Amino acid sequence: KAGVTQTPRYLIKTRGQQVTLSCSPISGHRSVSWYQQTPGQGLQFLFEYFSETQRNKGNFPGRFSGRQFSNSRSEMNVSTLELGDSALYLCASSLAISAQETQYFGPGTRLLVL
Amino acid sequence: AQSVTQLDSHVSVSEGTPVLLRCNYSSSYSPSLFWYVQHPNKGLQLLLKYTSAATLVKGINGFEAEFKKSETSFHLTKPSAHMSDAAEYFCVVSHGGSQGNLIFGKGTKLSVKP
Repeated sequence: KAGVTQTPRYLIKTRGQQVTLSCSPISGHRSVSWYQQTPGQGLQFLFEYFSETQRNKGNFPGRFSGRQFSNSRSEMNVSTLELGDSALYLCASSLAISAQETQYFGPGTRLLVL
Repeated sequence: AQSVTQLDSHVSVSEGTPVLLRCNYSSSYSPSLFWYVQHPNKGLQLLLKYTSAATLVKGINGFEAEFKKSETSFHLTKPSAHMSDAAEYFCVVSHGGSQGNLIFGKGTKLSVKP
């Protein structure tokens, strides 16, 4: 079974631009979560989707948004990029939303904002 | 609120010697705990998870962890380190309740000397 895939793998943008990242979950998984990883803040939860609905959101500004499609694929969007948005963005999928479910991570999209 | 504390930011061992990576947790619920590993420029891979079954959990690549409720600990061990174990290790607690998002520790970087 194919793992979680994320596109693109690398991205360079300039301040003020916007960016869209894509995540395809493992086949059959209906829950997708997004995390941001930076050297200073570590790994932080962005949002969680299940059946096309955002179920949970982390403590990030409204510039960060996401959505999930009927095939469970998910996109996240960051508008008005800031230098501090440079990070590795990781997507994870699981069968359902549950504390006991294992989340499987993709390789990430590395975003550099200049 | 759920949280995890990884007690060492960096651990260095010699190849063939035991590995101990320490983690303490705080949780309002009966916790689900995970250890993930991240090799350089790679995504996160699940090593093992605890979900209130056996307190000694065996994972991949010879790693295991013991859940100790009285000590609120979930330390990761391996009897004999291999060069390929060099990576960053994250202790993770699931938010719990109806939410599935993960809360990560700051990570422990494991170095293995020949």
